[in-house]
Amino acid sequence: SQKIEQNSEALNIQEGKTATLTCNYTNYSPAYLQWYRQDPGRGPVFLLLIRENEKEKRKERLKVTFDTTLKQSLFHITASQPADSATYLCALGGSYIPTFGRGTSLIVHP
Amino acid sequence: EAQVTQNPRYLITVTGKKLTVTCSQNMNHEYMSWYRQDPGLGLRQIYYSMNVEVTDKGDVPEGYKVSRKEKRNFPLILESPSPNQTSLYFCASSLSASGSTDTQYFGPGTRLTVL
Repeated sequence: SQKIEQNSEALNIQEGKTATLTCNYTNYSPAYLQWYRQDPGRGPVFLLLIRENEKEKRKERLKVTFDTTLKQSLFHITASQPADSATYLCALGGSYIPTFGRGTSLIVHP
Repeated sequence: EAQVTQNPRYLITVTGKKLTVTCSQNMNHEYMSWYRQDPGLGLRQIYYSMNVEVTDKGDVPEGYKVSRKEKRNFPLILESPSPNQTSLYFCASSLSASGSTDTQYFGPGTRLTVL
């Protein structure tokens, strides 16, 4: 069956370090992959989209990689700040029903 | 301001009492959808709509109904709510479901408790 896996354990890092979050998937061939940020009790907010023919995408302090051979995406936040603390969701697309991972909580300590 | 709005934001009701959660977007988006989010289960799609009068089931449609009579509105209807429908609900919209701009814009959420 199709599955999207994000680390269920929270990632704790120190301010200024680079945070790296992982999204793995099986039995799926997405045309694109998205990353969203979600704060407690609020709706997800779109951050980045990367297509299957792209290896890497950057936006300010954010970087996303997409390896269709490994079936994995990595999401990096450089020079992390306490304000980056949130849950980050990956979502696979390509059909009419986008599929979300369960998200990984990031906690950046001052 | 481009946005997706939902009402109510919080609702406590009793088993069997019909309710409607409204969703509206002002971005002229074709695609709209409803999700529920539960601890440990993530976001699960309930229903989606490709355009006016076109709706289809998502992953967890049982116990829910939707309608899309106008492009901007996509209400979620619980005809006979049950406690297992207690959840955080999100409405979302995107320009289209199959184009290159499939970014979904989410509403603020509706926290529903069914006693």
